[in-house]
Amino acid sequence: AQSVTQLDSHVSVSEGTPVLLRCNYSSSYSPSLFWYVQHPNKGLQLLLKYTSAATLVKGINGFEAEFKKSETSFHLTKPSAHMSDAAEYFCVVSFQTGANNLFFGTGTRLTVIP
Amino acid sequence: DGGITQSPKYLFRKEGQNVTLSCEQNLNHDAMYWYRQDPGQGLRLIYYSQIVNDFQKGDIAEGYSVSREKKESFPLTVTSAQKNPTAFYLCASKQPGEVADTQYFGPGTRLTVL
Repeated sequence: AQSVTQLDSHVSVSEGTPVLLRCNYSSSYSPSLFWYVQHPNKGLQLLLKYTSAATLVKGINGFEAEFKKSETSFHLTKPSAHMSDAAEYFCVVSFQTGANNLFFGTGTRLTVIP
Repeated sequence: DGGITQSPKYLFRKEGQNVTLSCEQNLNHDAMYWYRQDPGQGLRLIYYSQIVNDFQKGDIAEGYSVSREKKESFPLTVTSAQKNPTAFYLCASKQPGEVADTQYFGPGTRLTVL
């Protein structure tokens, strides 16, 4: 069965310190993986995506994620948190089955402490 | 500007009333989607449409209806049969065909039942 798990519902970091948001997936197929960010009462904005090219993917706003097949993980990182990074982050997995094949994690709320 | 618009941003409904949420896109995408978002549950798929005049139920279609008479429009009606309609509703679109194609999201409509 296909699934995606975001291991932390809430992460809190101090401004200027590194950010790590964890995501694991379960799949029998080779997935495509996405990270989206959502600010309060806004739609989802794509941060980055992995599509079986380079395993280290760079996105917008200084975020990057590394696809590790052996660990079935796609963790999101940023070297230095900024106040504007405070938002909800969704890990999303796309599998090669069906007409609509997006599976959303339950989200991780990132709080940045000044 | 290309993008997805949703209206209204906030919507209030009395119990027993049907309401229709608007979603319009000028990205020339064939596929459109409606999601419901509840706190701590990520996004759940209500309906999707791969092409004009065709649509499919998602995971939580009961109490909802859609139409796809035009490529750029995919309105969602929340009927009185939906027992717990208070939620944040997100519309998305993409060009189908590639697993890794990105879904683009609108800004959302927050529906509250009074």
